[in-house]
Amino acid sequence: AQSVTQPDIHITVSEGASLELRCNYSYGATPYLFWYVQSPGQGLQLLLKYFSGDTLVQGIKGFEAEFKRSQSSFNLRKPSVHWSDAAEYFCAVGARGNDMRFGAGTRLTVKP
Amino acid sequence: GAVVSQHPSRVICKSGTSVKIECRSLDFQATTMFWYRQFPKQSLMLMATSNEGSKATYEQGVEKDKFLINHASLTLSTLTVTSAHPEDSSFYICSARDLRDTGLLEQYFGPGTRLTVT
Repeated sequence: AQSVTQPDIHITVSEGASLELRCNYSYGATPYLFWYVQSPGQGLQLLLKYFSGDTLVQGIKGFEAEFKRSQSSFNLRKPSVHWSDAAEYFCAVGARGNDMRFGAGTRLTVKP
Repeated sequence: GAVVSQHPSRVICKSGTSVKIECRSLDFQATTMFWYRQFPKQSLMLMATSNEGSKATYEQGVEKDKFLINHASLTLSTLTVTSAHPEDSSFYICSARDLRDTGLLEQYFGPGTRLTVT
């Protein structure tokens, strides 16, 4: 069965600093990987997704993620964090025709 | 495109009453809709998968008699929480898969419904 691990429950970074949120997955076949962001009391917004092809994926709001099959990872990065990026971030794994499984989430706090 | 709405966005009900939450795909037809539950500061947990015109498939540990799901059309699924109790208070999120997505890869999420049972 597929599963997703986000090792960091909470990360704090200073505004303008770079960010990397970790995501490791476990799945026997080709995984389809997603990153979502959720602001308090809100639904999920898709940041980016990886289905196939180029392993470096560009998303919205200046985010990118790199799929590394050898490490079973799909880490999310941003070169310069803005205060508005403070939110909860979820990594998810899906497969063709199957449901989606979410990681536990990483809460990002941005210091001024 | 690919917008999913939920109604209501917030609902407060008394213990013992039933509450219905609607999930609609606004600009596409959905073969499959999913219902998730999210407790405060926790991740989304899949409750059930519903396909239009058939019975929903519930995840282990989810009471199907308590959480009634109806997917009567290709654009509407409903979740009814029957005889609600305070422990049912949660954030409920639906998602939908586009009928045209033959790769069956992506889900589009609704904005969520905050249920508070007093």
